[in-house]
Amino acid sequence: GAVVSQHPSWVICKSGTSVKIECRSLDFQATTMFWYRQFPKQSLMLMATSNEGSKATYEQGVEKDKFLINHASLTLSTLTVTSAHPEDSSFYICSARVGQGAVIAFFGQGTRLTVV
Amino acid sequence: ILNVEQSPQSLHVQEGDSTNFTCSFPSSNFYALHWYRWETAKSPEALFVMTLNGDEKKKGRISATLNTKEGYSYLYIKGSQPEDSATYLCASSSYGNNRLAFGKGNQVVVIP
Repeated sequence: GAVVSQHPSWVICKSGTSVKIECRSLDFQATTMFWYRQFPKQSLMLMATSNEGSKATYEQGVEKDKFLINHASLTLSTLTVTSAHPEDSSFYICSARVGQGAVIAFFGQGTRLTVV
Repeated sequence: ILNVEQSPQSLHVQEGDSTNFTCSFPSSNFYALHWYRWETAKSPEALFVMTLNGDEKKKGRISATLNTKEGYSYLYIKGSQPEDSATYLCASSSYGNNRLAFGKGNQVVVIP
């Protein structure tokens, strides 16, 4: 099946700094990528939908200026957590789908972010 | 935001036993139901995507059914093996919306 690679798998950063997470589709072109966040014992919560070459669509309650998403090519989307604070500590995971409709999603491995 | 519920949240199964768990989702404007298996330290892996009421899909010892009228799906594991230990995620989407809404998952531990 298709492979989505996400890096880094974990990162620890100081409060106030920014962290960039990369999500790459290795063997297919992903026109749409999705970014999720998961808090302990909670479900994957969609943060934003990223479309190649256009601005991301953010879910209600997600600050677009804090979570910068760039989808500059059909194989790469990045999520930058700006001015990170301890409450941003969470598990972030991306997924990509090929086409529209009832198609499966391919997920990255996820990134555990800890802000100290 | 669609409300997708999975139960039980966690379960322990003896090796060789069969088990099943439930995903409930809004039936109105339903489009598709996804099941994923998520093993620790790995990426979630797609198991099934179902759209039609009465759909049944099978992959090895794992199968799933779909009832779109009442808004639920069952996932069955026959003859559980230790490698079946994982969290099983259910996700639903609605017409006109490309987004998936996930449940919290069913965490399965198969005891040798």
